[in-house]
Amino acid sequence: EAQVTQNPRYLITVTGKKLTVTCSQNMNHEYMSWYRQDPGLGLRQIYYSMNVEVTDKGDVPEGYKVSRKEKRNFPLILESPSPNQTSLYFCASMLAGGGADTQYFGPGTRLTVL
Amino acid sequence: GENVEQHPSTLSVQEGDSAVIKCTYSDSASNYFPWYKQELGKRPQLIIDIRSNVGEKKDQRIAVTLNKTAKHFSLHITETQPEDSAVYFCALHPGGGNKLTFGTGTQLKVEL
Repeated sequence: EAQVTQNPRYLITVTGKKLTVTCSQNMNHEYMSWYRQDPGLGLRQIYYSMNVEVTDKGDVPEGYKVSRKEKRNFPLILESPSPNQTSLYFCASMLAGGGADTQYFGPGTRLTVL
Repeated sequence: GENVEQHPSTLSVQEGDSAVIKCTYSDSASNYFPWYKQELGKRPQLIIDIRSNVGEKKDQRIAVTLNKTAKHFSLHITETQPEDSAVYFCALHPGGGNKLTFGTGTQLKVEL
C-alpha cells in the first residue's frame, strides 16, 4: 500500500532532550516536507527537500533540523526542544516538482514538550 | 512568503444547504490552488485542485472557482452531508516557489 508513515505518533518529552521524528514514504517520491499544525495558524512548513541531499528552509525552520540521506526517509530532528514546539507535526511527500501537485500526508505526530 | 487569507474560520450549515469557503492571495504568479480536507484526528487529504489556466473545476458535489483578476479562489460544496463536517484548508503554489502555502483553515459543521 502506497503510504507515508511517521513515528512516533505521540510523544511527551521534556525541554532540552533531543528527539527525532521519523518519516518514510514508499512511493518513490522526490519531494518531502515537514509541517506543523497549530490552532488558528493552519499548516506551516518547517523544511522541505526536493531530492536526496537537497533540503531547504520553509516558513518556520527555527529549532529544527532535517536530513535526506535516502529518497524514502526524511527525519525531523529537534536538538533542544522547547515548550513552544508543542504541536501536531505532519510529514508529506509529492512525486516531484516544487509544490504544484498532490501532497500525501503522514498520519501526524503529536508532540508535547514539558 | 506568500500569505493566504481564508474565510470564514468557522461555518455552520444545515444538511442539504451549500457551503462556500473563500481564500485570497496577493502573488499574481501563483499557479496552483488545491483544497485539503482534514477530518477530526486524521491527516489532510486533497479533495480538489485547480491550476491558473482554468476558471472552474467540478467533482460531483464540490467545485472550485478561481478569479485571477481579483486574486481569490473558493470552494463550493453543494447538498452538504454530515460527512462533509471537517476542517478545510486552501493552499497555493507561489510562482517560482518550491512549496505550498496553506490558509488557516475553516471548520465546517453540517447540522442535521
